[in-house]
Amino acid sequence: KAGVTQTPRYLIKTRGQQVTLSCSPISGHRSVSWYQQTPGQGLQFLFEYFSETQRNKGNFPGRFSGRQFSNSRSEMNVSTLELGDSALYLCASSPWTGGGETQYFGPGTRLLVL
Amino acid sequence: QKEVEQNSGPLSVPEGAIASLNCTYSDRGSQSFFWYRQYSGKSPELIMSIYSNGDKEDGRFTAQLNKASQYVSLLIRDSQPSDSATYLCAVKGSSNTGKLIFGQGTTLQVKP
Repeated sequence: KAGVTQTPRYLIKTRGQQVTLSCSPISGHRSVSWYQQTPGQGLQFLFEYFSETQRNKGNFPGRFSGRQFSNSRSEMNVSTLELGDSALYLCASSPWTGGGETQYFGPGTRLLVL
Repeated sequence: QKEVEQNSGPLSVPEGAIASLNCTYSDRGSQSFFWYRQYSGKSPELIMSIYSNGDKEDGRFTAQLNKASQYVSLLIRDSQPSDSATYLCAVKGSSNTGKLIFGQGTTLQVKP
């Protein structure tokens, strides 16, 4: 099975711009979670989607949003970019939510905000 | 108190030795525990999952869980230089979601 894919892999934006990141989960996986990783804060949960519904949201401002499509692919959007949004954005998929299912991570999108 | 705590290290062990990585968590209702390995510049990859008290072995890796002490550990036997990476402890809380809470990670250095 193909793994989790994320596009683009690298992105450079300037402050004030907006960005959309894409994630395709492992085939058959219906749950997609997004995480932000920075050297200072580590890996932090952004949000989780299951069957096109947001199941949980982390402690991030409203500039961060996401959605999931009927084929389980997910996108996340960050509007009005700030320098502090520079990070590695990771998507993880699992078969379904609510149990102990393992989450498998994609390669990530590295975002640099100038 | 952080929800998931790990010693950031670096933990340095000689090649062939046992590396012991530790993690404590605050949510007593947590049910699922995971160890991920992350090489520099790469994304986390799963090493082990553990759900019940006791030990779980997979090759050179052994995960240990003690829910009463809210403690989970990872032992790496016969450590190899290729094991040098950051090891992330992740805990799924008691709520019915997929949210993982990560520790800051422990950097392991295996010296030849």
